[in-house]
Amino acid sequence: GESVGLHLPTLSVQEGDNSIINCAYSNSASDYFIWYKQESGKGPQFIIDIRSNMDKRQGQRVTVLLNKTVKHLSLQIAATQPGDSAVYFCAEFSTGNQFYFGTGTSLTVIP
Amino acid sequence: DTGVSQDPRHKITKRGQNVTFRCDPISEHNRLYWYRQTLGQGPEFLTYFQNEAQLEKSRLLSDRFSAERPKGSFSTLEIQRTEQGDSAMYLCASSLGTSGTEAFFGQGTRLTVV
Repeated sequence: GESVGLHLPTLSVQEGDNSIINCAYSNSASDYFIWYKQESGKGPQFIIDIRSNMDKRQGQRVTVLLNKTVKHLSLQIAATQPGDSAVYFCAEFSTGNQFYFGTGTSLTVIP
Repeated sequence: DTGVSQDPRHKITKRGQNVTFRCDPISEHNRLYWYRQTLGQGPEFLTYFQNEAQLEKSRLLSDRFSAERPKGSFSTLEIQRTEQGDSAMYLCASSLGTSGTEAFFGQGTRLTVV
């Protein structure tokens, strides 16, 4: 299978600070990269995706950056809130194929 | 609730028994995925359907596992002769079209094999 890995398994941030979650991938042929949020006892929830021909995409309080040169993906969460505490997964997707997920980073927001 | 629905939410079974899980995707979604997730790990792909056609199966899906989507709507995942190593969360997701990266996941079925 494909290899999608995360640099850090855990991350703790103060409420109101910005969070940055990183991810490395190996398949240059992936069409999309996606970030999912998973809260305890729930299925993964789509946050944002980025097409492989883009470098940056912004959503509500979130920004995803894609560096194809070093095969690196990051998720930036602005003004982190307690409700952002969860495990975050990056995944890669090739059109006509399926999603490959990384191991996940556990984000803890300290009030 | 118009999201992806999975049933049951929890299943405890004895080793060697057969179990079947059901997934009801979002009604207009033609793609349906099954994933398995163990504690601390990301979801691992098992199989997916485009309408009623099963297009790909992972090597993780041994011959004890079978999935169906008979009418292109709900899907079932059956595990025969369960083993303790089958204990995991089984997730179902659906999406619209082949480029639908916004896959919606269900709450999952947690299987415990004792």
